[in-house]
Amino acid sequence: DVVMTQSPLSLPVTLGQPASISCRSSQSLIYSDGNTYLNWFQQRPGQSPRRLIYKLSNRDSGVPDRFSGSGSGTDFTLKISRVEAEDVGIYYCMQGTHWPHTFGQGTKLEIK
Amino acid sequence: EVQLVESGGGLVKPGGSLRLSCAASGFTFSSYSMTWVRQAPGKGLEWVSSITSGSTSMFYADSVKGRFTISRDDAKKSLYLQMNSLRAEDTAVYYCARDLQMMFWGQGTLVTVSS
Repeated sequence: DVVMTQSPLSLPVTLGQPASISCRSSQSLIYSDGNTYLNWFQQRPGQSPRRLIYKLSNRDSGVPDRFSGSGSGTDFTLKISRVEAEDVGIYYCMQGTHWPHTFGQGTKLEIK
Repeated sequence: EVQLVESGGGLVKPGGSLRLSCAASGFTFSSYSMTWVRQAPGKGLEWVSSITSGSTSMFYADSVKGRFTISRDDAKKSLYLQMNSLRAEDTAVYYCARDLQMMFWGQGTLVTVSS
């Protein structure tokens, strides 16, 4: 199975400051169709997960442009340009290239 | 508006069975693969099972293979998860999600396996 390793697991951030979450996969996530099926999800306290980014760097509809995804091969990053109070929650990367699909352990973002 | 509404969770004894349902609306259900994901209390997300459109292929996590069965009824716009031989470690909130890359999620249904 592809292991997804996130860091840090805890991320205290000051409001208005940037934040960055790393996700590494144990195998390349480039699929035979040329796409990289690396997605990012946000789970606010008490809520269901919500997809933010799909196929490495595409923002879902309604996701603020302060969220961006980047990376290649086995190294990926979710960046928040300026953290807002509503960004508090747990962030998960997930690979949808290889079966079984697997999630990272989650990164808990909190306001400092 | 896409809506996914899970139901069927509850308290069950070890070794027992439950059938979860997910009612879909707001999109052409038959055209999409569907996925089940679970989250144990205080833990992270775990992919459980996926089914492609037309029920062409089904995929399972090793942890549930042979015990859980995913299915769909396109006429009823519903997704199902038949869970047999339940164990304490199956205790979790079970979410259904649209497509293999999980664009939309339901609110989840809690399954508790305990004697």
